[in-house]
Amino acid sequence: EPEVTQTPSHQVTQMGQEVILRCVPISNHLYFYWYRQILGQKVEFLVSFYNNEISEKSEIFDDQFSVERPDGSNFTLKIRSTKLEDSAMYFCASSLSRGSDTQYFGPGTRLTVL
Amino acid sequence: KQEVTQIPAALSVPEGENLVLNCSFTDSAIYNLQWFRQDPGKGLTSLLLIQSSQREQTSGRLNASLDKSSGRSTLYIAASQPGDSATYLCAVMDTDKLIFGTGTRLQVFP
Repeated sequence: EPEVTQTPSHQVTQMGQEVILRCVPISNHLYFYWYRQILGQKVEFLVSFYNNEISEKSEIFDDQFSVERPDGSNFTLKIRSTKLEDSAMYFCASSLSRGSDTQYFGPGTRLTVL
Repeated sequence: KQEVTQIPAALSVPEGENLVLNCSFTDSAIYNLQWFRQDPGKGLTSLLLIQSSQREQTSGRLNASLDKSSGRSTLYIAASQPGDSATYLCAVMDTDKLIFGTGTRLQVFP
């Protein structure tokens, strides 16, 4: 069964450094998402992406964050200058269509900012 | 602003029990509602999706209902097993994003 994959599974970085989290969505899906979950808290929406554009973003997704689909298979989340409070599990998701379809989640990348 | 609440926060039951997990949401204008399972330190596994026009969905021992007008959904797990132990998350689809509840942590003991 097709699945969303994410790399790395765990990333440790120093405050102020840039990190890139990578995702490979399900191949025929058209809509891509990033969510995050701070330890012990709810899963929170960050951004949705369709047709090489951001379609919606949350207040969390400020200028420090960016997303890109550099080729036909990868979908990346870049954090330009990490802060301690960026430490969280970051989940990538994809869906075939918007609104009515199941979103399929990857296993997550645990980001630790020291 | 949509708020999603799940009760109870935690539940511990003996194997074989039938149980009900509750989810409530404040804004009935949703596209769909999804139930997920999350194992400790792991990703989210989609269990069931109910479209806004539907009342119920079933998959194996799981049955989810949706009452949009009252802003409620329930997940019914029949004949629970130790392997069902996990956190169960409810999420409503609001245009382009899922809004999650805090989850119900379920432990099923033998």
